[in-house]
Amino acid sequence: QSALTQPPSASGSPGQSVTISCTGTSSDVGGYNYVSWYQQHPGKAPKLMIYEVSKRPSGVPDRFSGSKSGNTASLTVSGLQAGDEADYYCSSYAGSNSWVVFGGGTKLTVL
Amino acid sequence: QITLKESGPTLVKPTQTLTLTCTFSGFSLSTSGVAVGWIRQPPGKALQWLALIYWDDDKRYRPSLKSRLTITKDTSKNQVVLTMTNMDPVDTATYYCAHKKGYSFDYWGQGILVTVSS
Repeated sequence: QSALTQPPSASGSPGQSVTISCTGTSSDVGGYNYVSWYQQHPGKAPKLMIYEVSKRPSGVPDRFSGSKSGNTASLTVSGLQAGDEADYYCSSYAGSNSWVVFGGGTKLTVL
Repeated sequence: QITLKESGPTLVKPTQTLTLTCTFSGFSLSTSGVAVGWIRQPPGKALQWLALIYWDDDKRYRPSLKSRLTITKDTSKNQVVLTMTNMDPVDTATYYCAHKKGYSFDYWGQGILVTVSS
């Protein structure tokens, strides 16, 4: 059982937008602005897409955006493309003892 | 250009100790603020953070595995080593090392699949 809760699946048609949620507690998501999102294609290493809730690393398209409200963070992918089909994982800082916790992952399907 | 690569055994027996090495380039673990972490992913399952080592040798461990994990660094060789004792079949996973950016990981190795089986 993962520390952060994500829906197991999400889907959308090309060009549409989809939002993936990540629910934690006041000890992790709600307590810090250190939520990250990773994209993982089958057989590949995860790729950092969003850090510190809403910041994008260099090279990540602005179609990917992040936000947070209370204990729930969200990743929105707009203008869906076939290449966006992947697993997405959220993570959050959870204090100096636990450091980082991950969500269970969401499989995004582009219909 | 930052790169990381994991190496070690791909098959270990139950109760054995696993030793994995992360060899990296493009940064130095003697630079203030730099850290390298280990994350694993059981087949078909979610990511699990395991351990982290900072430039000043400060270390963090996943609380539930703390008694079994040791992370060390060799700055001269640009390597980080993770050892996990008393391996069990449930420890079968792909093990990744990664460069820390704030409270996330921005560069990852390709991963190494470690199977625990007799």
